[in-house]
Amino acid sequence: NAGVTQTPKFQVLKTGQSMTLQCAQDMNHNSMYWYRQDPGMGLRLIYYSASEGTTDKGEVPNGYNVSRLNKREFSLRLESAAPSQTSVYFCASRLQTGGLAKNIQYFGAGTRLSVL
Amino acid sequence: RKEVEQDPGPFNVPEGATVAFNCTYSNSASQSFFWYRQDCRKEPKLLMSVYSSGNEDGRFTAQLNRASQYISLLIRDSKLSDSATYLCVVSSQGTYKYIFGTGTRLKVLA
Repeated sequence: NAGVTQTPKFQVLKTGQSMTLQCAQDMNHNSMYWYRQDPGMGLRLIYYSASEGTTDKGEVPNGYNVSRLNKREFSLRLESAAPSQTSVYFCASRLQTGGLAKNIQYFGAGTRLSVL
Repeated sequence: RKEVEQDPGPFNVPEGATVAFNCTYSNSASQSFFWYRQDCRKEPKLLMSVYSSGNEDGRFTAQLNRASQYISLLIRDSKLSDSATYLCVVSSQGTYKYIFGTGTRLKVLA
């Protein structure tokens, strides 16, 4: 079972470059999420998609855009990368149909991004 | 005040010791509670959900105290492999958002 798959695993960008982080899940989950994790800050929500066709801002959306391409895929785009966006990015998904067991988030392995 | 607060540690304990972590949350409407484990440079993985009556999974016991708004994680008979960061996670009913604590680092020493 693949679960949540993120690509790429590592990326180095120059300031001003753009890139898209890809995320796909094969668990038929409704909700998908993008987080960033920085030392001492914990996981912070960038954007989320409650269901196919909807996206909403999280805690730190500035400098990012997202696309929920279909139920499986949720991409994160940096239009003009800045050094402040150097971080580890995690994608997650959740079934979201009620009940504690179905509210569990499953994470991808992460993308380590450095912006020089 | 942060919505979810944890002692960052590190907690350094010898093998076989019992160790407990607490996590406090500020939103009284919170409904779902979890403990996740994160190894260095890896993704968070669910350790256990926290049920209202408390629950146990092997050497791990989770408790919820709604009146004082905290959850706890107890690890008995610590193993070297328990060394990791433990994340407290809280969610409110009717929202799609999870709030993560910054994590508590545990180091189990031989």
